[in-house]
Amino acid sequence: QSALTQPPSASGSPGQSVTISCTGTSSDVGGYNYVSWYQHRPGRAPKLIIYEVAKRPSGVPDRFSGSKSGNTASLTVSGLQAEDEADYYCCSFAGSNIHYLFGTGTTVT
Amino acid sequence: QVQLVQSGSEVKKPGASVRVSCKTSGFTLTTYFMHWVRQVPGEGLEWMGLVDPTGHVFLYGVNFQGRLTVTRDTSRTMVYMDLRSLRVEDTAIYYCVREASHLKDFDHWGQGTLVTVSP
Repeated sequence: QSALTQPPSASGSPGQSVTISCTGTSSDVGGYNYVSWYQHRPGRAPKLIIYEVAKRPSGVPDRFSGSKSGNTASLTVSGLQAEDEADYYCCSFAGSNIHYLFGTGTTVT
Repeated sequence: QVQLVQSGSEVKKPGASVRVSCKTSGFTLTTYFMHWVRQVPGEGLEWMGLVDPTGHVFLYGVNFQGRLTVTRDTSRTMVYMDLRSLRVEDTAIYYCVREASHLKDFDHWGQGTLVTVSP
């Protein structure tokens, strides 16, 4: 199985917004509303920031938002802050054979 | 609070096996799916496998079938990952991960265990 496709990098100035795409197929991203996003800072464990396409866990700022259209999910980080510098990964449930697919990862600077 | 504390780094030769352990606390292990996810240096995350809350169902990624065994010991609140026939390309950080109660995403991660496979 192939990983979900993300752009390698994205950047923005403090206060700006950045949007990261996550492209899969109708068998994963397009077939289920089980897309999640993770923030991964170097040397730390990944952190869940979006689940079920657009829901935020408790404690995650509302600057983080998610959406999906067809086979592509997106994460938007609004009002960029220095602490948002990290790698971001999407993940989708992909059915009973593949189970879970992660994206290729996007480095946000 | 929920904690997943993994065992320390390992160095192995190609062809060997490795066991990574994960001590869980702050929740009831028998009510959650537990997963293993790895990150090869310079690459993205890769889902490896899971054990279900009953402890009787084990599912593995296609890249790991036949080489990976996930087990758990509820009396010790431990989860284990055994990977056999190690290859140099199995060098990675391995994470123990809890699936959220609302299912299909991962709400708590261990600190990661570096496994290095080198001749």
